[in-house]
Parts: sequence; C-alpha cells; structure tokens
Amino acid sequence: NAGVTQTPKFQVLKTGQSMTLQCAQDMNHNSMYWYRQDPGMGLRLIYYSASEGTTDKGEVPNGYNVSRLNKREFSLRLESAAPSQTSVYFCASSEILDWYNEQFFGPGTRLTVL
Amino acid sequence: QKEVEQNSGPLSVPEGAIASLNCTYSDRVSQSFFWYRQYSGKSPELIMSIYSNGDKEDGRFTAQLNKASQYVSLLIRDSQPSDSATYLCAVNTPEGNNRLAFGKGNQVVVIP
Repeated sequence: NAGVTQTPKFQVLKTGQSMTLQCAQDMNHNSMYWYRQDPGMGLRLIYYSASEGTTDKGEVPNGYNVSRLNKREFSLRLESAAPSQTSVYFCASSEILDWYNEQFFGPGTRLTVL
Repeated sequence: QKEVEQNSGPLSVPEGAIASLNCTYSDRVSQSFFWYRQYSGKSPELIMSIYSNGDKEDGRFTAQLNKASQYVSLLIRDSQPSDSATYLCAVNTPEGNNRLAFGKGNQVVVIP
C-alpha cells in the first residue's frame, strides 16, 4: 500500500498562474484534508472532506478550491497564485470513528510563488 | 487562548537520556490526542495516539494524558540521534467534523 500520495513534489509558479495539487489515498478512508505548513505557523487546515461528495472550509480557505473527485482522490486548486501561498502543502486522510481520528499524511508539495 | 500550545524553543538532550515534551489544550471536551514526529523536509508521521487518562507506552515512547489539567505529554526514553526531529501535538476538536488542531511543534536535538 502506498498510503497517501501527492503530486507534484515541487512546483514554482508565477503570480497569477493557476495549478492543481493532486492527492490520492489507498487506505479506503472516508475523510481527507489539505493543510499548509509555514515556518512559525504550524499546520493549518485549508479544506477538508468528511466523506465523498462533501467539502468544508478549514482555517485558511481563501484563495483555494477543492474537489473530492471520488473516495480516493482529493485535489486542491489555486486559481490565481499569490506569493502568500508559498508554502508546503500536505494532504492527509483518516477514518473517523467516534473520537478516533488518526490522520496519515502524504509526502507534501513544496510550492513557491514568485 | 490558542487551542494547542507546546513549549517554545528547541530541546537538547544527550544520547541515552529522557526527552520530555508537554502540550496543553484549551477545549475541555477534547477526547483524542496525538503525537506526530516530523523530520526536516518530511511529512508528519503519527507515533502515538492516546484517548484515556493515564500513560500509554509504545517502545521507547510514553504518552501521558491528564484531562482534568488539560495537558498531554510525550516521553522519549533512551533518546537516540534518530529521534532528532520536530514533535507535533494534535488534539481532536469535537466541533467541525472532528478537526485536528495542531501545536506549532517542539524541536528535539539528541546530542551523541
């Protein structure tokens, strides 16, 4: 099992360009998440999908859109990239049962917006 | 008050010693707690989960939970250079579909 995979690993964009970050999991988890991690800010939730067909905003959703394509895949789109979106992006998945919510992370995408 | 707080500053410990990390949380109704290890340039890796008051041991790691005082700690016994990493505390918040709130992390440096 590959767990959670993300593509691409690295990306450089110019201000105003758009791109989609891809995430897939093979653990049959219902819930998936997108985080960004910045120095001194910790992990911050951008969007999450509790189950296939649903998406909800997290802590920092502005400038992003998401699509839960199917149970396995959850993509994050930057429509018009800004330098403030330079960050490391992590996708995660979990199976929530009552209070059980062990999240497993992908390897990350390192994005630079010039 | 921040949801999850961890001690600031790196923690340096000699090889073979015990590293102790603390985390406090603000939401009294939180029910599940996690410790992640993150090596530089890598993604967070789940190393411990704890749901009940008391201690939970897994190899050289022990997680301790005290819900009355709203803190959770991680002990690393017989610290090894491979334990040098940043450790993130995460707490399950009951609202918003069980969202995890993360602390900013504690860097641990094990000195050979």
